[in-house]
Amino acid sequence: DQQVKQNSPSLSVQEGRISILNCDYTNSMFDYFLWYKKYPAEGPTFLISISSIKDKNEDGRFTVFLNKSAKHLSLHIVPSQPGDSAVYFCAASPPKPSNTGNQFYFGTGTSLTVIP
Amino acid sequence: EAGVAQSPRYKIIEKRQSVAFWCNPISGHATLYWYQQILGQGPKLLIQFQNNGVVDDSQLPKDRFSAERLKGVDSTLKIQPAKLEDSAVYLCASSLRGSNQPQHFGDGTRLSIL
Repeated sequence: DQQVKQNSPSLSVQEGRISILNCDYTNSMFDYFLWYKKYPAEGPTFLISISSIKDKNEDGRFTVFLNKSAKHLSLHIVPSQPGDSAVYFCAASPPKPSNTGNQFYFGTGTSLTVIP
Repeated sequence: EAGVAQSPRYKIIEKRQSVAFWCNPISGHATLYWYQQILGQGPKLLIQFQNNGVVDDSQLPKDRFSAERLKGVDSTLKIQPAKLEDSAVYLCASSLRGSNQPQHFGDGTRLSIL
């Protein structure tokens, strides 16, 4: 059962415009969320995180929004650049005992293409 | 800081053979994870270590997969015997101790079973 879903397999955006990547989850216990970026033949690279006590977190061109009631998060990239072309994964984790680390459930990814 | 190191990058074997993957996490990261990523899917957790102890191996096919982290630093994941459906990228990740720490991934080992 897929607990984290990215329903758009691909997205194309013009350079300079906003990219919005969406992610839905089913487990209301999830309280920590991450976005990763992945280039071909490389491992996922951590981009940005958000915990459930916040509804927005911003880091440069990247902003993550969390809507707990809708069990939905989104990643906004503004402005989009050709180097942002990659596969983006969202991941979610329920609370864990403090010393054991989180267990993340990943979505299937959205392939973003930024057109110059 | 140096990232998560994995080797080999690629491996091709025939079904029923065995294979092993190695991972060296970021220095100081107590938690280590092995993931399996099948083409077109997100990473799926196989096993999670905290230092040299197993925290979660509920999704590890224990009849053929094994993993160890004997000294609490680097780790090996083994498949014996391999099946066709094991063709995937095997990713290792590590994180600092504690909750709400992002995981940092290596570049993975791409395994092809013939």
